[in-house]
Amino acid sequence: GQQVMQIPQYQHVQEGEDFTTYCNSSTTLSNIQWYKQRPGGHPVFLIQLVKSGEVKKQKRLTFQFGEAKKNSSLHITATQTTDVGTYFCAGPVSGGYQKVTFGTGTKLQVIP
Amino acid sequence: GAVVSQHPSRVICKSGTSVKIECRSLDFQATTMFWYRQFPKQSLMLMATSNEGSKATYEQGVEKDKFLINHASLTLSTLTVTSAHPEDSSFYICSARDPGTPIRGSPLHFGNGTRLTVT
Repeated sequence: GQQVMQIPQYQHVQEGEDFTTYCNSSTTLSNIQWYKQRPGGHPVFLIQLVKSGEVKKQKRLTFQFGEAKKNSSLHITATQTTDVGTYFCAGPVSGGYQKVTFGTGTKLQVIP
Repeated sequence: GAVVSQHPSRVICKSGTSVKIECRSLDFQATTMFWYRQFPKQSLMLMATSNEGSKATYEQGVEKDKFLINHASLTLSTLTVTSAHPEDSSFYICSARDPGTPIRGSPLHFGNGTRLTVT
């Protein structure tokens, strides 16, 4: 079945350092979404990418969708302690109209 | 924006009892809601799709009789964990789509989740 993997699984960075998480799908995706889950919280939608090669920015966050629409990345510039949490990518389930498969997640820890 | 409310946020029950979790869309109507389960330090696993006015669609490996889903109205879906056992202890989260955007690819809005502990 469809698999969505993320690397790394964990990342500890010093505050101010950059951070990147990579998302790879076993199948081509019509779109990809990114969510952030704070410790003890629920996932919160960050952004959606639809077009091949699309790049979107939200302040210090840069999201990219691969040309083949099978991979994506999230880059955070100059991390802050408020960036702590687990970042998930998510893509539509093949043939499953409304359903979404979540990636394995990358847990970010920022050391002050 | 779209708000999803989930109740209770935390529940502790004894083995063999049943627990009901409610998921409400507060400011929109949701014909479809999704129930996820999340184990510690793991990703979200889709358990079932709740459909208003019809039977829920369960993912492979999820026991229908164990996890009863009822979507009685356009704003309420419930998940009942029947005859709970310690292995059912987990974080259960419901979600629904933002109704203001096209269905395919519209973002999911999540409830706050329910942490179930079965002793």
